[in-house]
Amino acid sequence: DIQMTQSPSSLSASVGDRVTITCRASQGISNYLAWFQQKPGKAPKSLIYGASSLQSGVPSKFSGGGSGTDFTLTVSSLQPEDFATYYCQQYSTYPHTFGQGTKLEIK
Amino acid sequence: EVQLVESGGGLVRPGGSLRLSCAASGFTFSNYAMNWVRLAPGKGLEWLSYISSSSTTYYADSVKGRFTISRDNAKNSLYLQMNSLRADDTAVYYCARFLTWGGGVDYWGQGTLVTVSS
Repeated sequence: DIQMTQSPSSLSASVGDRVTITCRASQGISNYLAWFQQKPGKAPKSLIYGASSLQSGVPSKFSGGGSGTDFTLTVSSLQPEDFATYYCQQYSTYPHTFGQGTKLEIK
Repeated sequence: EVQLVESGGGLVRPGGSLRLSCAASGFTFSNYAMNWVRLAPGKGLEWLSYISSSSTTYYADSVKGRFTISRDNAKNSLYLQMNSLRADDTAVYYCARFLTWGGGVDYWGQGTLVTVSS
């Protein structure tokens, strides 16, 4: 199975900051990488697919990059509603494994 | 508007069975692949199973042989039959639409809670 490792596991930031989360795959996955946001008690929300393409309706403050084994999610101009847990997922090979999550907290 | 609504969760004893349903609307269900994903307390998201529009299936090792994914296109419904349930199957279970052309998961249901406890 492909292992997905996110870093950091948790991150404190202030409103207005720009943050970057990284996700590393244990083997190459081309660009079959998605990012999701989840808030407590809510369903996940799809943000990015194909490593860098925004899902419909997702604001451009979210951006993704990378290919192969190393990927990033950048969130600019943090607002209170952006504080949540973020997950990457590879969908190159079954099982479609998730990273362990990155909890973004308000400083 | 795409909507996915899960149901069927509840309290079940270890070793018991439960069948989850996911009612789809707002799109041509028969044309799309679907996934089940869960979130256990204090843990991260875990991919469980996939079913294609033609009913090809895949499973995570953690549920293989115990869980069965299926679909009824006439009823616009996705199912997850869960047998031999264990305490570590306690989680919120989500169905999600999967875009096979490389779009990944785009829509999620609101989830249904399964609690396995004696």
